[in-house]
Formats: sequence, C-alpha cells, structure tokens
Amino acid sequence: ETGVTQTPRHLVMGMTNKKSLKCEQHLGHNAMYWYKQSAKKPLELMFVYSLEERVENNSVPSRFSPECPNSSHLFLHLHTLQPEDSALYLCASSQDWGGFNQPQHFGDGTRLSIL
Amino acid sequence: GENVEQHPSTLSVQEGDSAVIKCTYSDSASNYFPWYKQELGKRPQLIIDIRSNVGEKKDQRIAVTLNKTAKHFSLHITETQPEDSAVYFCAAGGYQKVTFGIGTKLQVIP
Repeated sequence: ETGVTQTPRHLVMGMTNKKSLKCEQHLGHNAMYWYKQSAKKPLELMFVYSLEERVENNSVPSRFSPECPNSSHLFLHLHTLQPEDSALYLCASSQDWGGFNQPQHFGDGTRLSIL
Repeated sequence: GENVEQHPSTLSVQEGDSAVIKCTYSDSASNYFPWYKQELGKRPQLIIDIRSNVGEKKDQRIAVTLNKTAKHFSLHITETQPEDSAVYFCAAGGYQKVTFGIGTKLQVIP
C-alpha cells in the first residue's frame, strides 16, 4: 500500500472515552503532521514531528496527545474530548522538515464525532 | 496574527470557461504557496505550488501567479471540466508557520 493511510475512517466516542487515531506513511518521508479540519474553517495545524521528534505544538489542548514511535507512524491519543472537537482529523507527511515549505501528502482523514 | 484570506467562497462556472481563485497573505516571511484540491469525502491533494522567487508557474490547464509586493497569489484553471468540481484551498508557508485559506467550492456546470 502506498501513500498515507489513516485508521479508523470514522470514530464515534463519548466524552469520557479514550481512543487513538493512527496514521502510517509509506513514502519514506521524515516529517509528519496532524491537522484538524472543521466545517467553514481553515485547516488548523495541530502537531508536527520530524524524525520522531516534535517540532511544533500549536497550543493544542492537552486532551490531544500525539505520539510518533518512528518516522512512518503517527498517533493521536484522545481523552475526555468535548463536542467542539468533532471534526475531520487529517494526517500528512512531507519529505523533510525545513519549515512549512514543502509539499504535503495527506491521508483520507478520520471523521470524529463526540457524543 | 497571520491569516490568509481566500475569495470567492463559492464559484460556479460553465464547462469550458476559466476559473480564478485569489488568496492574500499577511506574513512577509511566507515563501511557499501551495494549492490543494479536495473532492467531497476525499483527501486534499496538492495540485500546484509556487515559491517566492518565482512569479508564475503553469501545469497544463492550471497556473498560479504570485505578487510578492501585494502579498497575493491566484489559482487559474482554464477549460474547466466537471471533474474540476471540488473545494480548493491555498496556503502560505514559511519556516515557522503555515496558514491555510478557508477554501473555495468550485462547481463546473456541464
């Protein structure tokens, strides 16, 4: 399988649940990103990892916890989310990290609904 | 703070006509300007990008122009086809940050 793969595609959870989103890239890239896409809003950057080290944390609430065990895998751990966290969560990767000046390859996203 | 304004929010054109979408950015440190196409229920896909040392770039029916002085860049699609119907969004990136436009929903009417 090629490209950027995200699982699950859809997730419904209660506010007290704990769940994780998974992203895997098969492109040999060194940088990976998490974005939040909400209706009628611009794409919001959440986290950036370069070679498994976090390089950017955009003032994201602590109920979102990223993990990057290696350069091909990225997780987003969710805990005690709020209804306003319902959105499409997109993962992306780029060849390297030198700032936000490289093409990014996106996954299909996880549609998250908080009850 | 940094923002990117994108216009129009929706655009309907007849098949075969041209479509133009414009973005304006505020951070003069921005040096990379990609355009992404996102079809309904699908992933965003890069369709063209331009760097700050270039004024124009073309790829078949798609072109992007950049005016660094005015801090705006535009996407031009010629000879539009129904499969061009999607949401298009721009971005302005630099070393420290990236900011995205809100998106333009393009509808090409057969």
